Amino acid sequence: EVQLVESGGGLVQPGGSLRLSCAASGFTFGSFAMSWVRQAPGRGLEWVSAVSGSGDTTYYADSVKGRFTISRDNSKNTVYLHMNTLRAEDTAVYYCAKDSTIVAANWFDPWGQGTLVTVSS
Amino acid sequence: DIQMTQSPSSLSASVGDRVTITCQASQDISNFLNWYQQKPGKAPKLLIFDASNLETGVPSRFSGSGSGTDFTFTISSLQPEDIATYYCQQYDNLPITFGQGTRLEIK
Repeated sequence: EVQLVESGGGLVQPGGSLRLSCAASGFTFGSFAMSWVRQAPGRGLEWVSAVSGSGDTTYYADSVKGRFTISRDNSKNTVYLHMNTLRAEDTAVYYCAKDSTIVAANWFDPWGQGTLVTVSS
Repeated sequence: DIQMTQSPSSLSASVGDRVTITCQASQDISNFLNWYQQKPGKAPKLLIFDASNLETGVPSRFSGSGSGTDFTFTISSLQPEDIATYYCQQYDNLPITFGQGTRLEIK
C-alpha cells in the first residue's frame, strides 16, 4: 500500500523558517515525481512545488519562488519542503502527493494526510 | 497561468440524482484535466485522470468528459457518501492550477 506521511508543521512567526518532510512507502520512490500542494483554511487547493524522480528538476509556484526549496533524498524515501521568509498568507495545510510519472507534474495519487503550518505572531 | 473556472460553486441534490459539474480552462489544455474528491477534513482523492479515465477502484457512477477548454464531471446516481468538494486540475502548463471547487450537498 502506498503511504505518504507528512511532518514538520507548526506555529512559526512571520519571517521565520520551517522544514516539512514527507516519508513515502509502498512504491519505488525514485521512479516518481513528488509535489507539495497547500490549502489555506476554508479555501481551495494551490499547487506549491514539484521535484522530478531523480531530484534534478524542480518547479515552483510564483507565490513561493525564491522562498521555498523542494528537495528529496531517494535513499530515505523522503521529500522535503524548506520554507523561508514565511508570511501570514503561507498559513495552510500542506499536502505531499505522489505524481503519476517520473517527470513532474501530472496527476496526484495518493496524497498524504497533510500537515498544518500556521504563520502568526 | 491557466485559469480553471468551475461551476457551480455549490450544489444541492437528492440521493439518486444525476449531478453534473463543469470546468472551463482559460486556454486549450487538450485532455490534460483531472478531477479530485475532497471530503471534510481529509486529503483529496483522485477520481478521473486525462479528462475521462476512471482511477482504479473508483465507482463507475463517476465519469468525466471533454477536451480543449470545456470539461464535464458527472455522478450518474448520487449516493450519500459522495458528499464532498470536487476540484478540477489542469497539467497542460506549469504552474498546475485547480478550479475553485464545487461543494456538493445532499438535499
